[in-house]
Amino acid sequence: GENVEQHPSTLSVQEGDSAVIKCTYSDSASNYFPWYKQELGKRPQLIIDIRSNVGEKKDQRIAVTLNKTAKHFSLHITETQPEDSAVYFCAASISGGSQGNLIFGKGTKLSVKP
Amino acid sequence: DAGVTQSPTHLIKTRGQHVTLRCSPISGHKSVSWYQQVLGQGPQFIFQYYEKEERGRGNFPDRFSARQFPNYSSELNVNALLLGDSALYLCASSWKGGGPTEAFFGQGTRLTVV
Repeated sequence: GENVEQHPSTLSVQEGDSAVIKCTYSDSASNYFPWYKQELGKRPQLIIDIRSNVGEKKDQRIAVTLNKTAKHFSLHITETQPEDSAVYFCAASISGGSQGNLIFGKGTKLSVKP
Repeated sequence: DAGVTQSPTHLIKTRGQHVTLRCSPISGHKSVSWYQQVLGQGPQFIFQYYEKEERGRGNFPDRFSARQFPNYSSELNVNALLLGDSALYLCASSWKGGGPTEAFFGQGTRLTVV
């Protein structure tokens, strides 16, 4: 089955700096890669996603890149702010049919210091 | 539009007891998935239901079962509770009639087994 590895497990940056979180997946059939942000005690919130027919996607300060050949994808956050502090999870799934369960990485705790 | 709602929000049970968790998906969503999130880990897939049929099952024992009702709401049942079942149980809904959509999570049910 699919396995998703996520690095680093913790990341500390100064406000205004960039943060990069990397994930690798094992199943070449996976074609949908969402990123979720989870603040303490709250639900995971979808922040951005990418499908396998696209190499990069941006939404304001957040971007995701996908390398299908290497089977890895990354989250980039620019101009980080204290409110970006949270745990970020990457996930992979095979979407397009009626299935599509998400396989998550173990998470990255991002701390943005003012 | 209401988001995914789960009940109850918190629950304390004794080892050996049985528990039922409930989830109402976003209006129009036909798929409900259940995840277990242990503290400090990413969500782990338990079940997916689509149009009232089980479409996927994760690596969980038979003590875990679920069902989906005609209105697309869902229940997760866990029998013979163990201390290790203590976790945040998340429900996610997705899949509108026209095709797959992003998965949106409910706020979760925090289950504590004592």
